[in-house]
Amino acid sequence: AQSVTQPDIHITVSEGASLELRCNYSYGATPYLFWYVQSPGQGLQLLLKYFSGDTLVQGIKGFEAEFKRSQSSFNLRKPSVHWSDAAEYFCAVAAFGNEKLTFGTGTRLTIIP
Amino acid sequence: GAGVSQSPSNKVTEKGKDVELRCDPISGHTALYWYRQSLGQGLEFLIYFQGNSAPDKSGLPSDRFSAERTGGSVSTLTIQRTQQEDSAVYLCASSLSPPLNTIYFGEGSWLTVV
Repeated sequence: AQSVTQPDIHITVSEGASLELRCNYSYGATPYLFWYVQSPGQGLQLLLKYFSGDTLVQGIKGFEAEFKRSQSSFNLRKPSVHWSDAAEYFCAVAAFGNEKLTFGTGTRLTIIP
Repeated sequence: GAGVSQSPSNKVTEKGKDVELRCDPISGHTALYWYRQSLGQGLEFLIYFQGNSAPDKSGLPSDRFSAERTGGSVSTLTIQRTQQEDSAVYLCASSLSPPLNTIYFGEGSWLTVV
């Protein structure tokens, strides 16, 4: 069965600084990987996804993520954060032919002026 | 509507009562999912529908939980004899054909069992 680890429970970043949120997955074959964002009182919104091909994936709101098979990682990055990026971020994995998403425990992002 | 719609948005119920949570997926989406989000357990998969059938019910935590989908559209999640540990946000999501299509989530139904 697949699993996801997000090692950072809470990260604080200054506005304008760069951001990297870590995600490690466990799955025997090529996974489908996702990053979702959840703002307070909101549902989950998909930022980006990786299925195959180019390992650097571009998403919405200026986010990108890189799939590194050798490290079983799919880290999320943004070169310059904005106060509106404060939210909870979830990494998720799905297996080919299995429609359910397995989520990590989330990383809460706080932005300081 | 434009997105996944869930009702009620908030529900407080007494322990032992039954509750029904409703999900209206995006029109035309054949796949529908229920997830549960709680402080101690994070985001857990409950059940997946393709059309009206549920090929994966593996996440339902006990036989007090059931779900159905009718007409390939609206779904109802029913929790019988609620317990305090059932308190959570219940999220519904839908997509065209998983997993290659984006899964869209509703804002959730907050359930509090007192």
